[in-house]
Amino acid sequence: EAGVVQSPRYKIIEKKQPVAFWCNPISGHNTLYWYLQNLGQGPELLIRYENEEAVDDSQLPKDRFSAERLKGVDSTLKIQPAELGDSAVYLCASSFLGSAGTGELFFGEGSRLTVL
Amino acid sequence: EDKVVQSPLSLVVHEGDTVTLNCSYEVTNFRSLLWYKQEKKAPTFLFMLTSSGIEKKSGRLSSILDKKELFSILNITATQTGDSAVYLCAVTNAGGTSYGKLTFGQGTILTVHP
Repeated sequence: EAGVVQSPRYKIIEKKQPVAFWCNPISGHNTLYWYLQNLGQGPELLIRYENEEAVDDSQLPKDRFSAERLKGVDSTLKIQPAELGDSAVYLCASSFLGSAGTGELFFGEGSRLTVL
Repeated sequence: EDKVVQSPLSLVVHEGDTVTLNCSYEVTNFRSLLWYKQEKKAPTFLFMLTSSGIEKKSGRLSSILDKKELFSILNITATQTGDSAVYLCAVTNAGGTSYGKLTFGQGTILTVHP
């Protein structure tokens, strides 16, 4: 079974440039998450989707970050314009949350962003 | 706001040692506590705990939850160099729009020397 797929794995850009990350979740998983992880820290939730609806985007800096989940499957996370402080690993995860949801997430390998 | 605190932040041991990692939490409507192992890439799932006092075990790893005192421990016996990783603790919230949301701690960096 294919896992969560993210691309690109690495991205180096100059500040003020735009950048986009893509995530393909595990087939059948209705919940998708974007997390940001800084070095030496635990992942922090940016946005959570249930199907195509963003049910929690309270931690997403909406002045420069945007996300979408097309048809409740793939998702993209965009930053425009990028700032130096955005350098981090962006993790995508998916899970199936039915009425007895477990909360067990399956993570992709992450997209490491470096802003120069 | 849900909160997870892990200790110690880092730990250095030698192969064969036993380690105990701690996780304390505050969550408005607790559903479950999860442990993940993160090497250089994505976090991988270890355990999910929902009930107090029931030990989960997988090989040399085991974990237990105390819902009264709001903490969990992860034990690793006879450590090996391959156990070197960041161990992440997370809690899920069962309430309203927070259902299924994971809040992570900052992680414990474990280094096992030969």
